[in-house]
Amino acid sequence: DAKTTQPNSMESNEEEPVHLPCNHSTISGTDYIHWYRQLPSQGPEYVIHGLTSNVNNRMASLAIAEDRKSSTLILHRATLRDAAVYYCILSTFLNQGGKLIFGQGTELSVKP
Amino acid sequence: DTGVSQDPRHKITKRGQNVTFRCDPISEHNRLYWYRQTLGQGPEFLTYFQNEAQLEKSRLLSDRFSAERPKGSFSTLEIQRTEQGDSAMYLCASSLDRGQQQFFGPGTRLTVL
Repeated sequence: DAKTTQPNSMESNEEEPVHLPCNHSTISGTDYIHWYRQLPSQGPEYVIHGLTSNVNNRMASLAIAEDRKSSTLILHRATLRDAAVYYCILSTFLNQGGKLIFGQGTELSVKP
Repeated sequence: DTGVSQDPRHKITKRGQNVTFRCDPISEHNRLYWYRQTLGQGPEFLTYFQNEAQLEKSRLLSDRFSAERPKGSFSTLEIQRTEQGDSAMYLCASSLDRGQQQFFGPGTRLTVL
């Protein structure tokens, strides 16, 4: 399974943008990059995913490096409700049936 | 649609007892996944179903663990002869198909005394 590397923790101020980095130097051509987050005492929640191009949705943006060896999840205006553990996950649907291999994630704290 | 539900939310049992958890996925979701999460760690994949067929089991799923999904709807995860090391949050997720986002339930927290 291709691995991802994320910082253990990050801090942000409320209403400021947050850039959460993820390194995945061993990514293969068929790996999608997924981001999930887990709020305290809840199950993980899908945030966004992409393959090669940058992606935007109502929750966040995903910026993928041209060589695909790294990506950045962007929260445009952090709120207190965004405090969570954010997981960057690679998933090759062709061979792995869609299962998600979670790492340690980045614990994001948001200060008012 | 109320999302993925799991029952019970909390279970305390004594070592050696059997426990069973239930997961109700989002209706019409073909795929159902079980994960386990211990404190401070990310969730670990246990097994998944495509409709009623169990297609993959992790090495984490010892012989004491069994999962079923009769008729391709709800699923149960049973742990026989529980051990203290089984204490964890058991998460269920469902997706419409391969490659689609997974929707997670709130989890069942198991404590084995």
